[in-house]
Parts: sequence; structure tokens; C-alpha cells
Amino acid sequence: EAEVAQSPRYKITEKSQAVAFWCDPISGHATLYWYRQILGQGPELLVQFQDESVVDDSQLPKDRFSAERLKGVDSTLKIQPAELGDSAMYLCASSQAGVSEAFFGQGTRLTVV
Amino acid sequence: GENVEQHPSTLSVQEGDSAVIKCTYSDSASNYFPWYKQELGKRPQLIIDIRSNVGEKKDQRIAVTLNKTAKHFSLHITETQPEDSAVYFCAATRGGGSYIPTFGRGTSLIVHP
Repeated sequence: EAEVAQSPRYKITEKSQAVAFWCDPISGHATLYWYRQILGQGPELLVQFQDESVVDDSQLPKDRFSAERLKGVDSTLKIQPAELGDSAMYLCASSQAGVSEAFFGQGTRLTVV
Repeated sequence: GENVEQHPSTLSVQEGDSAVIKCTYSDSASNYFPWYKQELGKRPQLIIDIRSNVGEKKDQRIAVTLNKTAKHFSLHITETQPEDSAVYFCAATRGGGSYIPTFGRGTSLIVHP
């Protein structure tokens, strides 16, 4: 069964350092989402791509976060510089074009120390 | 933007009892309502979904109801089992080209044997 791949699974970084996460969506899925999930809360959308274009990044803290999906396939989310409050699970999800089920990856658990 | 409220935040039941989780949404343009189950340390996975042209959908012990007029939808689990223990998230997806799912804060369901 096809899955959304994310790496790394775990990342510990020091405050003010740069960190990057990678996501490979299910083949053929045009829509890709990056979510942040703080422990005990629901996923919060950071950015949504349709192919290589950003559909919504209104909740992305653009002073430190950036996301790209250059060829409309895999995607990278970067944080620079990382802050203590960025500690969370970062989930990537993908779906087919249109209104349909989003499939989640295993996530990257980030700890900023 | 869309706002999804989910209640209760924690639900504790005895094995065999029924469990009901309720969500309300604000955007009348939302037309797809998935429910996800997230076990500890795992990715969210879709368990059931409903579209706005349907009032109720059932899959074995799980059912979802939607009231478009009141903008609320509910998850019903009958004959609960210990393996149903997890965090459940509702979501409302706005159509019209952007297809952005907005998640509730989650309900931690605990089923006691």
C-alpha cells in the first residue's frame, strides 16, 4: 500500500539552528499539506501545495519558516532559526486533486533545546 | 477562515458502551467531513467520512451524521472495545478550489475493559 514518506522521524536541534524536513507524497497526489501538531492538539495547517504552487500559507510564520515543492512532487519544510516553541510533530499529508481523503505520513518529531 | 470546534476533549467509557463525539463548523462552503483516528505515536488515519449531500453514513460499528443547517456533525461508535482507545479528530474541508481541511482539537477516547 502506498504511503507518504517523511524524514527524519526524529530531530533534536539547538535553538537558533536551521532544520529541514522532507516529504514524499503518494504518487499521483497533486495536493500536499504540511501540518504542525502540538501534543494534545489537532493538526494545524502550515502550508498547502497544489502541484508546485502554494494554495495557502496564511498560517506559516514566514519570518522563519519556508516550504517548497519545486517539481510538484516531494517537498521540503525549513525552519531557520529554530525556536523553543517550534517543538512539535510536523506532519505531511497528500491527497488527490479535489475534495478527498488526506493520507498522512509518520511525521517528524522536532525537539528544540 | 473555517473554525472547527470539537467536544468533548476527553471521553471515558466502559467496554461495550457507545461513544459520541461532536463537531461544529463555521464555513457553510465546507462540504467534506472526514474523521481521523490517531493512536499514540502513530499517524492520523481516516476511519470514516461524509459529504454534504449525505445526512448519515455507517460502517460496521462506526457512524457519522451531518446536519448542514446547524453546521454540526457527529461520530458515533457502538459496542466500544479497548482497541478503540485513541485520539479522534474531525475535520471540515472547504471546497471551491482550495480544498483545505481544518481540524478540530481532538477527543481522547478511553475505553475501559
